[in-house]
Amino acid sequence: SQQGEEDPQALSIQEGENATMNCSYKTSINNLQWYRQNSGRGLVHLILIRSNEREKHSGRLRVTLDTSKKSSSLLITASRAADTASYFCATDSRTGGFKTIFGAGTRLFVKA
Amino acid sequence: KAGVTQTPRYLIKTRGQQVTLSCSPISGHRSVSWYQQTPGQGLQFLFEYFSETQRNKGNFPGRFSGRQFSNSRSEMNVSTLELGDSALYLCASEQGGDNEQFFGPGTRLTVL
Repeated sequence: SQQGEEDPQALSIQEGENATMNCSYKTSINNLQWYRQNSGRGLVHLILIRSNEREKHSGRLRVTLDTSKKSSSLLITASRAADTASYFCATDSRTGGFKTIFGAGTRLFVKA
Repeated sequence: KAGVTQTPRYLIKTRGQQVTLSCSPISGHRSVSWYQQTPGQGLQFLFEYFSETQRNKGNFPGRFSGRQFSNSRSEMNVSTLELGDSALYLCASEQGGDNEQFFGPGTRLTVL
């Protein structure tokens, strides 16, 4: 089963609004990462947050991590049409011999 | 620095055939991971190779195999193709340590 689960599954907003996506995971992690994927192409790494960090910023992106709740959120501020993509969280799980486990993703649509 | 490259980009095969996909990592990256992406199952980890050795493996049948060469290039092989193997196959390379992975554009495999 998936280690990470994103919520919501889909999100539609107007350009300029903020978009928030959430990710929950099941087991302890070393780090959590967020990726973006445009329409069936390869994934682009956005940001990595380690298990001992609570918040991280990168440009218009803000990621939080709550290890007690096993959850993370990705906030995109002042969204643009170019932010339209699928967003995935991925966790580095060492249990069961797996490596990076991805969630099902949130599809974000930003209307111009 | 050149990114991760995958060949071929598109492939059409019939049931029962076998296929080999290729991935060239970013220069200096020693880890290559493979993922299968389908609409129904999302992104699923296949295996990871590091210094020519399989380091991690996901929950896929033995029809899925891979290898890594001394120059870190990796190949993935799927034998006795089934319709359900139709997917986007992504490979990712990593320098090591913090699990920030860089993805290739993927190979879209269609099994008829």
